[in-house]
Amino acid sequence: GAGVSQSPSNKVTEKGKDVELRCDPISGHTALYWYRQRLGQGLEFLIYFQGNSAPDKSGLPSDRFSAERTGESVSTLTIQRTQQEDSAVYLCASSFTLAGSSYEQYFGPGTRLTVT
Amino acid sequence: AQKVTQAQTEISVVEKEDVTLDCVYETRDTTYYLFWYKQPPSGELVFLIRRNSFDEQNEISGRYSWNFQKSTSSFNFTITASQVVDSAVYFCALSVLSGSARQLTFGSGTQLTVLP
Repeated sequence: GAGVSQSPSNKVTEKGKDVELRCDPISGHTALYWYRQRLGQGLEFLIYFQGNSAPDKSGLPSDRFSAERTGESVSTLTIQRTQQEDSAVYLCASSFTLAGSSYEQYFGPGTRLTVT
Repeated sequence: AQKVTQAQTEISVVEKEDVTLDCVYETRDTTYYLFWYKQPPSGELVFLIRRNSFDEQNEISGRYSWNFQKSTSSFNFTITASQVVDSAVYFCALSVLSGSARQLTFGSGTQLTVLP
C-alpha cells in the first residue's frame, strides 16, 4: 500500500516568509507525528495528533510553529516568519494506536527546508 | 524525561565483519517500547524492530539481531556479515505510555560505513 507522503520535497524560502508543509499519512493510521531533523542530528518531536483529540503540542519550539490535521487524514505544518535556525528536514510519521501499546511509526521522505 | 544515548557516532567496518551498535536508554516508566530505525543515504527512515519492556527475549532476523538487557538499560543491535548496503545511519528510539502522545525519543544516531 501507499506509504506516508510529504510535499514539497524541498523548500527554499527567504527569512521572514511563512511556509506550509504537507503530510498524507498511511490510510487507517489514526496517529500522526511531526519531527524535525537538523543536519547530522537525531529527530526532535514537534507535535502529535490522535483522532479527534486535542493535539499534543509539547514539542513545538516557538509560537511561530503550528499544525493542523483534518480528521484522520492530511496534516499541514506551518512555520511563520521563518528564521535561519528553522532550516532542517521536517519528517511526518503515522502509526496505528491502541491503548496500552505503542506501535512503530512509518515515516515519510521529509521536506528539506532551507531558510536563506 | 526520557533519554536515548548512542555513544558511537561513527563506525567503519570492512564487508563481512560483524558490527554491534550500542544503545542505552533512560526512563522512569515501567512500560516502554524500544525501536531501531535505519536511515540510508536516501534519507527515508526505515523501521527495523519494536520491542516492549516486558519482553527481554533476544531477536534474530536474518543477519540482524538485537540484545535487550533491562539490567543495563541497553538495546544493542548487531549486524552479522555486514554488507555495503548496510551503510546508513542507525537510530535507536524509545516510546513511553505515560502522557497522551507516543512520540519517539531518538538517540543521535550511529553512522555505519561498510567498506568493500
